[in-house]
Amino acid sequence: QVQMVQSGAEVKKPGASVKVSCTASGYTFSNYYMHWVRQAPGQGLEWVGIINPSGTRTNYAQKFEGRVTMTRDTSTSTVYMELSKLRSDDTAVYYCAREGGRARAVFDLWGQGTPVTVSS
Amino acid sequence: SQVLTQPPSVSVAPGQTARISCGGHKIGSESVHWYQQKPGQAPMLVIYDDDDRPSGVPERFSGSNSGNTATLTISGVEAGDEADYYCQIWHTVGDHVSFGGGTKLNVL
Repeated sequence: QVQMVQSGAEVKKPGASVKVSCTASGYTFSNYYMHWVRQAPGQGLEWVGIINPSGTRTNYAQKFEGRVTMTRDTSTSTVYMELSKLRSDDTAVYYCAREGGRARAVFDLWGQGTPVTVSS
Repeated sequence: SQVLTQPPSVSVAPGQTARISCGGHKIGSESVHWYQQKPGQAPMLVIYDDDDRPSGVPERFSGSNSGNTATLTISGVEAGDEADYYCQIWHTVGDHVSFGGGTKLNVL
C-alpha cells in the first residue's frame, strides 16, 4: 500500500525546536523529491521547502530560511523536517508531500499531517 | 514571487457547474495544479499540469489555463464536492512553490 505516515502531535514552548518525521512505504522512496507544506488553523496551505531524492540538496521558502532543516534517511524511507526558534504563529498542521514526477511540484501523495502547537 | 488570487468562496446548486478561478500574472505560461481539501483531511490532487486528471478523479473535474487566469471546472456538482480548493504552481526561478489562498466551494 502506497502511503506516508507522519509522527504524532507535538506541543512545544516558544523558542524550542520540533522535528517531524514522515515514513514512506509501498514505493521506491529514493526516487522522489519530497516537500513540506503547513497549514495554520483556519488558513490556507503554505509551502515550507523541498529536499531532493538523494538528500544532498534542499531549498526553503524564504520566510523559513535559517530556522528549518530538511533531511532524509533512505535506509528507513523517512524524511524529516526540523523547525527551530518556534513562535506561536508556527502553530499549524505540517504535511509531507511527495512530488509525483508528472510535472514539477505535483503533490500526488500526502502524509496525514502532524499538528504542532506552540504555546507557553 | 508570483501571487495567486482565488475567490474566497463559490456557491453552486447540486447538478450545476462550478468554476473556480486562480489569477496570476501570465499564469498561462505556468503549469497549474489543483487540490481538494475536505475538513480534517490532507489535500488531494484533482488536476495537474493545467488540465490532466489523476486516475480515480471523476471526469466531472477539468482544468484550463490561459493568459492571467487558470480555472478549475466541476460539472454536475455533488454534495460530496463541498471542500476547499487550492491552485498551485512551481517557480523555476528560485525553485519554490506558490499556493493560491484557497476557495471554499459551497453546495447549496
